[in-house]
Amino acid sequence: DGGITQSPKYLFRKEGQNVTLSCEQNLNHDAMYWYRQDPGQGLRLIYYSQIVNDFQKGDIAEGYSVSREKKESFPLTVTSAQKNPTAFYLCASSMWRDNTEAFFGQGTRLTVV
Amino acid sequence: AQRVTQPEKLLSVFKGAPVELKCNYSYSGSPELFWYVQYSRQRLQLLLRHISRESIKGFTADLNKGETSFHLKKPFAQEEDSAMYYCALSRQGGKLIFGQGTELSVKP
Repeated sequence: DGGITQSPKYLFRKEGQNVTLSCEQNLNHDAMYWYRQDPGQGLRLIYYSQIVNDFQKGDIAEGYSVSREKKESFPLTVTSAQKNPTAFYLCASSMWRDNTEAFFGQGTRLTVV
Repeated sequence: AQRVTQPEKLLSVFKGAPVELKCNYSYSGSPELFWYVQYSRQRLQLLLRHISRESIKGFTADLNKGETSFHLKKPFAQEEDSAMYYCALSRQGGKLIFGQGTELSVKP
């Protein structure tokens, strides 16, 4: 089954803890992205990676970190520095070209308790 | 500033009625615009893109550069069209700026 897989589906974290969200794709896409979805705000770009071993900050990168050691994988770490981490997180991938379609995962809902 | 605005949070229509979901954008270059849809319990997926000028599931969208709009239209709404719709602008590749989203509810 081709596509993007995010895990886990639900995640609970205590305040002050770091947590890592997994994202894997088998679409052979060069580019991968992390978006945050909040009610009434649409999706906002956290980080993106055009190619292995390279990544760039998006619009709301503070309190997050990523790595891109393999083409298929783009994990997101939500650090304790993120002031409001409770949200729905979506991973996506695409070809790096104009007018390209982005393919999204099912998402991870993170709740800080 | 680069921005996408969807003025309606919720749009409720009856089955068979026409639908128009509004989208306005602000972008200095030549825009690449998309509509994405998220059905209940499904992942976000592409509905259509302006460059294709195609009709998907009866939906069409025309880019109006003069009015900086990309409204989504369907002449006769169906119950299965009920979903969350997002208008999006590409900065490069899959780096998208999303609007706030419009929830479409089609009543029987």
